Amino acid sequence: SQQGEEDPQALSIQEGENATMNCSYKTSINNLQWYRQNSGRGLVHLILIRSNEREKHSGRLRVTLDTSKKSSSLLITASRAADTASYFCATAANDYKLSFGAGTTVTVRA
Amino acid sequence: GAVVSQHPSRVICKSGTSVKIECRSLDFQATTMFWYRQFPKQSLMLMATSNEGSKATYEQGVEKDKFLINHASLTLSTLTVTSAHPEDSSFYICSANTETSGPYEQYFGPGTRLTVT
Repeated sequence: SQQGEEDPQALSIQEGENATMNCSYKTSINNLQWYRQNSGRGLVHLILIRSNEREKHSGRLRVTLDTSKKSSSLLITASRAADTASYFCATAANDYKLSFGAGTTVTVRA
Repeated sequence: GAVVSQHPSRVICKSGTSVKIECRSLDFQATTMFWYRQFPKQSLMLMATSNEGSKATYEQGVEKDKFLINHASLTLSTLTVTSAHPEDSSFYICSANTETSGPYEQYFGPGTRLTVT
């Protein structure tokens, strides 16, 4: 079942700007993951943050997790045209299944 | 490493026919494989989880007799859509996890676009 809600649904930014998207979820989790999907393609794993972690960085990506609010955010800094894609959060409970959010479509304008 | 392939990438079939989609882990043995479907501009919905040599576990609302999953080896899982109808048209994506990546990290295939006419 789909657990995560993401906002905004769509985001359009200028190249070089930062992009922030948020994900909220409903039940307890073991970890939360962010994925990128280019149009009509499979998913690429970006970052995993465990429930006992609050912040994680990977290159130009910064992810935060607030388990008290059941929410996470993904920040992409200094965006590039190649960052144009849909971004999904996915939560994992102890049964190892991933429950995906609705996704945020990011368009980076040159 | 951890590459997952799917075949075919696109398939068009007539209503009432069956179509088989293959999911292969190319450079690792997949302990578990997952099958998702994605409608246009929507999220991924988990259909079923399969482990090699055992029956797949289907999510609520997914017809096991319509979506047949066979996980014959540690590198191959197949999804057969039987008696396909236009409403089965969707993007089907498989994923797998590895013994080394742990149970939570999944590697996704490129997806298969199914169109039923």
